Amino acid sequence: GQQVMQIPQYQHVQEGEDFTTYCNSSTTLSNIQWYKQRPGGHPVFLIQLVKSGEVKKQKRLTFQFGEAKKNSSLHITATQTTDVGTYFCAGPAGGSSNTGKLIFGQGTTLQVKP
Amino acid sequence: DVKVTQSSRYLVKRTGEKVFLECVQDMDHENMFWYRQDPGLGLRLIYFSYDVKMKEKGDIPEGYSVSREKKERFSLILESASTNQTSMYLCASIPGRTTYEQYFGPGTRLTVT
Repeated sequence: GQQVMQIPQYQHVQEGEDFTTYCNSSTTLSNIQWYKQRPGGHPVFLIQLVKSGEVKKQKRLTFQFGEAKKNSSLHITATQTTDVGTYFCAGPAGGSSNTGKLIFGQGTTLQVKP
Repeated sequence: DVKVTQSSRYLVKRTGEKVFLECVQDMDHENMFWYRQDPGLGLRLIYFSYDVKMKEKGDIPEGYSVSREKKERFSLILESASTNQTSMYLCASIPGRTTYEQYFGPGTRLTVT
């Protein structure tokens, strides 16, 4: 069945270092979403990418959607302790966007050492 | 702001008990979802509902049922709780049937002993 894989599962960085998490889908996606879950919290929507090759920035966060619309990445420049949490990517179940269902990756948990 | 609330943050139940997890959203959203979250497995869809009294199975429905009698409320039922259902349960909602951002509740950490 359809799968969305994320790597790495865990990442420890020193504050100020960069961080990247990668998301790969077994099927072509119409769009991809990213969520952040702080420790003890719930997932919160960050962004949605729709176009092939799309790149979007939110301050120190850069999101990219691959040309084939099967992979995506989230890059954080100069991490801060406020970036700690688990980052999930998610794509529409079945590849299309007409059900509202999402398939989530396993998540990448980021720890930042001050 | 959309608000999704869940009845309990922490719950401890015994094996074999019937467990009800409640989720309420206040934004008149049509679609609601129940996920369980386990380390290393991400969020897995248990059931979702796209209208009152309408429901569809997700990826891991075994051992669970759901009820949606009112648009704002979506309940997850564990008919006979087992230890392998110890998990974090998250409810989410979206306005319609296309891919919108999902609004999550705070989660219920269920422990079955």
